[in-house]
Amino acid sequence: KAGVTQTPRYLIKTRGQQVTLSCSPISGHRSVSWYQQTPGQGLQFLFEYFSETQRNKGNFPGRFSGRQFSNSRSEMNVSTLELGDSALYLCASSPRQGGNSPLHFGNGTRLTVT
Amino acid sequence: SQKIEQNSEALNIQEGKTATLTCNYTNYSPAYLQWYRQDPGRGPVFLLLIRENEKEKRKERLKVTFDTTLKQSLFHITASQPADSATYLCALDYISGSARQLTFGSGTQLTVLP
Repeated sequence: KAGVTQTPRYLIKTRGQQVTLSCSPISGHRSVSWYQQTPGQGLQFLFEYFSETQRNKGNFPGRFSGRQFSNSRSEMNVSTLELGDSALYLCASSPRQGGNSPLHFGNGTRLTVT
Repeated sequence: SQKIEQNSEALNIQEGKTATLTCNYTNYSPAYLQWYRQDPGRGPVFLLLIRENEKEKRKERLKVTFDTTLKQSLFHITASQPADSATYLCALDYISGSARQLTFGSGTQLTVLP
């Protein structure tokens, strides 16, 4: 089985722009979670989607949004980028929703905001 | 709010020794606790999951313990090898509203010296 695929691998944007990141989960996995990883804050939960519905959301401003398609692929969008949004954005999939199922992570999208 | 602490940011040990990493948590009693390994520039990789009613779990050279009284999990790597050098993350399921999410500690960077 192919693993979780995230595109693009690297992105450089300027303040005020918006960005869309893409995630293709493992085939058959219906849950997709997004995390932001920075050296200072570690892995921070953004949101989880299951069957095209957002099931849970972390403590991030409304500039961060996402969606999931019928094939379980997911996108996340960050609008009005700020310098502090520079981070590694990780997507993870699992067969089931919730914290009792191991997560399968992609290798992330490295976003740099200048 | 939930707080997770991993014993130290960095741990150096000699090849062949047992590495012991600590994960402490407060303000919550998780039903599950997971451990992940992360290499530079890559997403975390799932290693082990332990349930609250399990005291210990083993997988090859890895062992995890879960003490719900002490609110602590210990992660052991026996007969450590330089290839075990990586950052190790503990994660626990956390109920936010009606949903569960996986919350990560900041990680311990392990270096196994030859």
